[in-house]
Amino acid sequence: GEDVEQSLFLSVREGDSSVINCTYTDSSSTYLYWYKQEPGAGLQLLTYIFSNMDMKQDQRLTVLLNKKDKHLSLRIADTQTGDSAIYFCAERNSWGKLQFGAGTQVVVTP
Amino acid sequence: AAGVIQSPRHLIKEKRETATLKCYPIPRHDTVYWYQQGPGQDPQFLISFYEKMQSDKGSIPDRFSAQQFSDYHSELNMSSLELGDSALYFCASSPLGTGGNEQYFGPGTRLTVT
Repeated sequence: GEDVEQSLFLSVREGDSSVINCTYTDSSSTYLYWYKQEPGAGLQLLTYIFSNMDMKQDQRLTVLLNKKDKHLSLRIADTQTGDSAIYFCAERNSWGKLQFGAGTQVVVTP
Repeated sequence: AAGVIQSPRHLIKEKRETATLKCYPIPRHDTVYWYQQGPGQDPQFLISFYEKMQSDKGSIPDRFSAQQFSDYHSELNMSSLELGDSALYFCASSPLGTGGNEQYFGPGTRLTVT
């Protein structure tokens, strides 16, 4: 995902908050997404945000979008061991195609 | 809730063989996307269909072709398979009229080419 960049690894203690960051390049992206992938499994749509929004909250998940800096973040509150997975940030082009980042491996330690 | 169905889940083929991957979108989803995820890589867009017409094309080799049928299911046909085609192939579908704003992924087909 050369147009979408993410840090590759994040270690967090159980109960703490996790923050995963992403930068994108296409200023015309209308929607930005976070997907979760567990080992050997498919991609689970966690949440997405429309580009005219700054923030979206959904239970333990908070998405922040800074359109000026083309920066997207996902905050997971009260991180649990079941949150250990790879998290992909993605931007959507006008035809619906998703451009993914390389993914952030989140490891939750007890 | 119904999810995207992909078959087969696992497929082993030899070099130069052909493979057909099938995708059954969620009911009332009219758009289908195919992605390829190599080992340790992010998913790469291959091709998409809207209302049975190709809507966008990505890095899909000429050896691959795909179509969407009248019941909205889609098939990805892969010929002259190469070792580098070994990957997870995901299908995703989007609900009617959303233009791909929500893409729900299937469990993937793991293709191994030996």
